[in-house]
Amino acid sequence: AQKVTQAQTEISVVEKEDVTLDCVYETRDTTYYLFWYKQPPSGELVFLIRRNSFDEQNEISGRYSWNFQKSTSSFNFTITASQVVDSAVYFCALSEETSGSRLTFGEGTQLTVNP
Amino acid sequence: DADVTQTPRNRITKTGKRIMLECSQTKGHDRMYWYRQDPGLGLRLIYYSFDVKDINKGEISDGYSVSRQAQAKFSLSLESAIPNQTALYFCATSDPPAGRLNTGELFFGEGSRLTVL
Repeated sequence: AQKVTQAQTEISVVEKEDVTLDCVYETRDTTYYLFWYKQPPSGELVFLIRRNSFDEQNEISGRYSWNFQKSTSSFNFTITASQVVDSAVYFCALSEETSGSRLTFGEGTQLTVNP
Repeated sequence: DADVTQTPRNRITKTGKRIMLECSQTKGHDRMYWYRQDPGLGLRLIYYSFDVKDINKGEISDGYSVSRQAQAKFSLSLESAIPNQTALYFCATSDPPAGRLNTGELFFGEGSRLTVL
């Protein structure tokens, strides 16, 4: 069965600090997809990234970067030079190849960036 | 206008009442989902539908039912609401890229906050 664990329930940082959100997953499939979603205080869910299990190349998008390591079953998310607007709940999620977009979500990490 | 619209956005009801949450989408996607969000538990899948004639239970379907009235509409019902169904409910859609079984990316509605007293 697939499972996603986000061990950090809450993280609080000061603006401009770098912060890494951890995500560890479990799956028996060799083909799977990993995601990050952001949920700001307004409540909507915003898609950030999707990676497939065959692509371990790290990705950078502006201040956001993702480190995918199959050896440790981790897909960590780093925000560089955090800003107050980054304050949100962040969810990591996993979808196995045959699950047809049925995502399994982690518990979420509440990130608070203080000015 | 939002691509995935949920109504109502907020609802307070009493134990034992029947409640329907509605979802409509303009994305033209075949696949639709209902998730429930509880603090500390993330989002959990209640039901999903891959097309109008296909309905499947998710991990927490007890106490819920769904109806796929059309490609664009997917409703979630609580036949007899109970307090532990108080949660934030999300509808989502997806469509697989050509040649793949799985796309993954879900497009979410804005959520329906339900409180059962």
